[in-house]
Amino acid sequence: GAGVSQSPSNKVTEKGKDVELRCDPISGHTALYWYRQSLGQGLEFLIYFQGNSAPDKSGLPSDRFSAERTGGSVSTLTIQRTQQEDSAVYLCASSPSGRAPETQYFGPGTRLLVL
Amino acid sequence: GQQLNQSPQSMFIQEGEDVSMNCTSSSIFNTWLWYKQDPGEGPVLLIALYKAGELTSNGRLTAQFGITRKDSFLNISASIPSDVGIYFCAGANYGGSQGNLIFGKGTKLSVKP
Repeated sequence: GAGVSQSPSNKVTEKGKDVELRCDPISGHTALYWYRQSLGQGLEFLIYFQGNSAPDKSGLPSDRFSAERTGGSVSTLTIQRTQQEDSAVYLCASSPSGRAPETQYFGPGTRLLVL
Repeated sequence: GQQLNQSPQSMFIQEGEDVSMNCTSSSIFNTWLWYKQDPGEGPVLLIALYKAGELTSNGRLTAQFGITRKDSFLNISASIPSDVGIYFCAGANYGGSQGNLIFGKGTKLSVKP
């Protein structure tokens, strides 16, 4: 499809395990964002990639969280040694550039449950 | 992380009623956005506001960028059943290297039983 896709759509893991969440942005979009949405909460910014620039990691809640973007396209968000409080929906968005916020297109999210 | 104060948290609507919700912030933004999120989906942009005092409509939706640049409201006129969902406000300051949005906690619209 033409939109942002994320996989898996749902993930259940045990506390202490590592998880990888994947985001396929819209082709040609140079900006990519990760957000976290906890139950009943708004979206919390995690990390932002813009082209070849160093990513803005200011929203990552701890050093257990990391993200990569390979070849300026696909991105992977990794959570190491998962905790129950990591349970949330992880949303990815992409934009043609980082200069116009209205053009962030969101994927359907990955629902993570840590038991 | 930083969040906006959005109210009400939830409300029930009856078809045909008008709906209002608002967002306030302790920080100034140069852009305000309103999104709607349906279950199992990501947020979808409804209205974008770029100038203090700006009033913008999109069909039955009307939003305003407060003149203090610290608040915004969204009105839905003559609501219909498909308006149910969660509405989020978001603020941003664009022009530099920062690209992220700051979101409110959402207003959940449900149908009156």
